[in-house]
Amino acid sequence: GESVGLHLPTLSVQEGDNSIINCAYSNSASDYFIWYKQESGKGPQFIIDIRSNMDKRQGQRVTVLLNKTVKHLSLQIAATQPGDSAVYFCAARPSNDYKLSFGAGTTVTVRA
Amino acid sequence: GAGVSQSPSNKVTEKGKDVELRCDPISGHTALYWYRQSLGQGLEFLIYFQGNSAPDKSGLPSDRFSAERTGGSVSTLTIQRTQQEDSAVYLCASSLRQGAAKNIQYFGAGTRLSVL
Repeated sequence: GESVGLHLPTLSVQEGDNSIINCAYSNSASDYFIWYKQESGKGPQFIIDIRSNMDKRQGQRVTVLLNKTVKHLSLQIAATQPGDSAVYFCAARPSNDYKLSFGAGTTVTVRA
Repeated sequence: GAGVSQSPSNKVTEKGKDVELRCDPISGHTALYWYRQSLGQGLEFLIYFQGNSAPDKSGLPSDRFSAERTGGSVSTLTIQRTQQEDSAVYLCASSLRQGAAKNIQYFGAGTRLSVL
């Protein structure tokens, strides 16, 4: 099976700085990865995803980096804003599976 | 609707009672998923539906948990004889179809279940 873990359970970042959230996975067959943001009292919201045939993908103020060699992915948030305060989850699955395996989440707190 | 809708948003029940949680997926989404999220934890997979059938029920914690889906749309998660350890947020997600390369799962806001 897949085990997904985040390196730090909490991250405090100054408003305007860049944030980096790291995630490790165990199953080398995993080839689809996704990041979600969960604000208090809400369900997880899709941020960005990446397939294993890529090592970098950019969205609006977010970048996901994938290193298949060490089974590591990261989410970078540029110019972090107060609205970015939330819990961030990474998840992974093999292409032939529907089941997403989620990490425990990193709580990001943005300091004004 | 525009997104995944879950009801009720909060449910308080007494130990031993049965509860039903409802999920309305995004229109046109054939795949539906239930997850459980305990306080401060990640998401624990419970069950997955493709259409009305549930090919994988392995995530259900015990035989007190069951789920059904009718008409390829609404799903109900039932917990019988609730226990205090069932207290959690139950999240539902839907995706366009199984087999798609990306198959992004979109989540509802969840039902917060509290068993007293």
